[in-house]
Amino acid sequence: ETGVTQTPRHLVMGMTNKKSLKCEQHLGHNAMYWYKQSAKKPLELMFVYNFKEQTENNSVPSRFSPECPNSSHLFLHLHTLQPEDSALYLCASSQDASGRWAKTQYFGPGTRLLVL
Amino acid sequence: AQSVTQLDSHVSVSEGTPVLLRCNYSSSYSPSLFWYVQHPNKGLQLLLKYTSAATLVKGINGFEAEFKKSETSFHLTKPSAHMSDAAEYFCVVSPTSGGYQKVTFGTGTKLQVIP
Repeated sequence: ETGVTQTPRHLVMGMTNKKSLKCEQHLGHNAMYWYKQSAKKPLELMFVYNFKEQTENNSVPSRFSPECPNSSHLFLHLHTLQPEDSALYLCASSQDASGRWAKTQYFGPGTRLLVL
Repeated sequence: AQSVTQLDSHVSVSEGTPVLLRCNYSSSYSPSLFWYVQHPNKGLQLLLKYTSAATLVKGINGFEAEFKKSETSFHLTKPSAHMSDAAEYFCVVSPTSGGYQKVTFGTGTKLQVIP
C-alpha cells in the first residue's frame, strides 16, 4: 500500500482556486497514470506518462494540467475547475506502458476532490 | 475496440458461502484481463491477472478467475466469503497489439457479505 502515495488525501477548492495533486511511487516504475473516479461511472483514464513522456491524453479539459518531472513523481495541476470535476483522483504506476502485454498497475489511495 | 461488462452492480452473499462476480469482455486481440478490489476510501489493489498462461488464474485472498475464450468471460470466484471481502470489484481488459496498451475498466460490482 505504501508503494504509491498521493497527497493531499482530501481537497476542497473553489472554482477560482489553483491547486496541485501530487503522486509519488517508490516501486522503480517507468510509467505513471492519472485516473478520475466519479460516482456510478467507470474509472476514466486521464493521462499516461511512459519514461517521463506523455503518451496519452484522453480528451481531458485544459483546466487539468499534468506534469511528470521524473519517473517517480507525477503532478496534476488544477485551475478554474467546475463542480462536476468533484471526484476521487487516482494515481497509478506500472513497470512501463509498452510491449504486448499490459503491465500490472499499482494504485495510490487517491485524492478526494470537492469543487465548490 | 474493446469493452468490459460487469453483469451485476451489486452482489450479496452470506458469510461462508461462495462468491461469483461476473465479467464479460470484448477485444479485437487476445486480451490481458485483471481483477482489482477497492475497499472504502482506499485505492485499487490487484487481485489477479491473466496474460495468456494458464486459463485458471489464482489470486490473493483465495480468489480465482477462469478465462473462457469461447464465452468471452473472466468471472471471479471464491469458495467461501469472509466479511473482509466486502468491497467493490473491478474487471479490467487490455488488448495485446503492441505499443501502449489502453486499459478499460468495468463499472464495478459491490460485494456485500452478510454475517
